[in-house]
Amino acid sequence: NAGVTQTPKFQVLKTGQSMTLQCAQDMNHEYMSWYRQDPGMGLRLIHYSVGAGITDQGEVPNGYNVSRSTTEDFPLRLLSAAPSQTSVYFCASRQQGATEAFFGQGTRLTVV
Amino acid sequence: AQKITQTQPGMFVQEKEAVTLDCTYDTSDQSYGLFWYKQPSSGEMIFLIYQGSYDEQNATEGRYSLNFQKARKSANLVISASQLGDSAMYFCAMNPESNRLAFGKGNQVVVIP
Repeated sequence: NAGVTQTPKFQVLKTGQSMTLQCAQDMNHEYMSWYRQDPGMGLRLIHYSVGAGITDQGEVPNGYNVSRSTTEDFPLRLLSAAPSQTSVYFCASRQQGATEAFFGQGTRLTVV
Repeated sequence: AQKITQTQPGMFVQEKEAVTLDCTYDTSDQSYGLFWYKQPSSGEMIFLIYQGSYDEQNATEGRYSLNFQKARKSANLVISASQLGDSAMYFCAMNPESNRLAFGKGNQVVVIP
């Protein structure tokens, strides 16, 4: 049972580069979310989805795009990386009506 | 927008003692869920306990209990009989009616032998 899988675990980007952080879950969960974690800031919601084809912005969406073409996958795209996007990124999924959200292992991104 | 407040500075706890982590929240929703997650130094997020806003009894999960005071909008986590493995960051979170799970900034706990 893989749960929530994030790839890559570590990534270094140059300013201006683009990339996609992958998130996949095998639990058939409707809800998926992306968070970033910065020191002293807790986890902040970037984007979330309540089902395939439906996405919405969270607290800090600027500079990020998402799409949800399937229930399983919820990739996060950085359009033009900036040093301010250096952070640890977490993907989470949850069954509708359930109490627990399951998190991936995180992706540590550094933008130089 | 929902707001979760965790203001305690880092805490040192003696092994086998209990520790209480404070969490207050602000929402106008009638229905919501409250969560606590543990993040050890390895970085993963571990679900600990859940309390629904309509639950009349405080939630308990093993050594973890949630002291829910709805009128005061507080959801404090109590860890009984602390163990060295409890050293971690602890995050309070709330899932409002919009299902946009929001987190506090966390409490650092260090358990000392």
